[in-house]
Order: sequence, then structure tokens, then C-alpha cells
Amino acid sequence: GQQVMQIPQYQHVQEGEDFTTYCNSSTTLSNIQWYKQRPGGHPVFLIQLVKSGEVKKQKRLTFQFGEAKKNSSLHITATQTTDVGTYFCAGPTKGYGNKLVFGAGTILRVKS
Amino acid sequence: NAGVTQTPKFRVLKTGQSMTLLCAQDMNHEYMYWYRQDPGMGLRLIHYSVGEGTTAKGEVPDGYNVSRLKKQNFLLGLESAAPSQTSVYFCASSYFPTGAESDEQYFGPGTRLTVT
Repeated sequence: GQQVMQIPQYQHVQEGEDFTTYCNSSTTLSNIQWYKQRPGGHPVFLIQLVKSGEVKKQKRLTFQFGEAKKNSSLHITATQTTDVGTYFCAGPTKGYGNKLVFGAGTILRVKS
Repeated sequence: NAGVTQTPKFRVLKTGQSMTLLCAQDMNHEYMYWYRQDPGMGLRLIHYSVGEGTTAKGEVPDGYNVSRLKKQNFLLGLESAAPSQTSVYFCASSYFPTGAESDEQYFGPGTRLTVT
């Protein structure tokens, strides 16, 4: 079945360093979404990318959607302690219902 | 707006016991979902609903049942709990998407369930 893989599983960075997580799908996606989950919290939607090669920025976060629409990345510049959490990518599955298949997530820890 | 709410927040069950998790949303969303989250495995879809009175199986439906008698509520039932169902359960809801875009999903705060 459709799979979405994320790497790395875990990353521990010094505050101020950059961070990147990568997402790869086994199938071409019509769009991809990114979510953030703070420790002990619930996933919260960050952004959706739809177009091939699309790049979107939210302050220090840069999201990219690959040309082939099978991969995506999230890059955080100059991490802060508020960036701590798990970042998930998710792609739509076939069929009705706005269903998503989630990657396993990348856990980000920031040392201050 | 409260958004998506879930009850209870925590629960401990013994093997073989049953329980129902309640999810409620006040955003008039058509679609609702139940996920489970286990370490290293992300979020996996258990069941979902595309409208009042409808339910469908997701990726990991075995051992669970659901009902959507009212548009704003989505119930997840465990008839005979097993230790393998120890997990964090999240409910989510969304609008009906159009075109090539999906619609974002709004998540509840989660229910932490332990089965001993």
C-alpha cells in the first residue's frame, strides 16, 4: 500500500543550528501536508504544498515539494527551543474521505 | 469555539474490558477520523466517517468499532480491550476538500489508554 517515509527519526541540535527533515512517498502525491506536535500535545497543521517544485516559507521554516511530487522537506533555520516537537508529513490516500497517510515523524530536540 | 474535544483524557483498562471514547467537534465538519499513535509509527487511521450515519474502515480497524449518529460526534469503541491497544488515540475532523487540495485536519487533545 501507499507509504510515506520520513528521515531522520530523531535529531538533537544545538540552539541556533539548522534542522531538516525529509519525506518520501512511494507514490506521486497531489499535495502534501506538514504537521507539528509539541511534546504531550496533538498534531497541528502547518502548511500544504500542491504544486510541483513549490517552496513556501513561514518565518524560519521553509517547506519544499519535489519536482516529481514524491518528496518534500522542511528546513528550520536557526532553531529555537520553541521548535521542539515532532514534525510529520502526510499525503492524501486514494479514494473518498480526505484521508491522509502520515510519515512516522521526526522528533526534534533543541539544546539551549 | 472549542474545536475538537475528546473524553476521557486518560484511561486504564484491564484486558477484556470494554470502553467508548467520545469525540465532539463544533466546526460543522463533514469528515471525522480516529487515529492511534504509537512510538516510531506515526499516526495510523483506525476508522473514519464522511458524514452523519456513515463509517468506514481505515488502515488498522481490527478490534475497534465506531458510530456517527450525530454529525458533531464520533464514537470509538473497544469491545474487548487487549494490551496491543495500549496507545494514544486522536480524533480529527475536516471539511470537504475541493480540487487537488486536501483539507487540513483538526485534531483533538488525545486520549491516553493503557490496557493491562
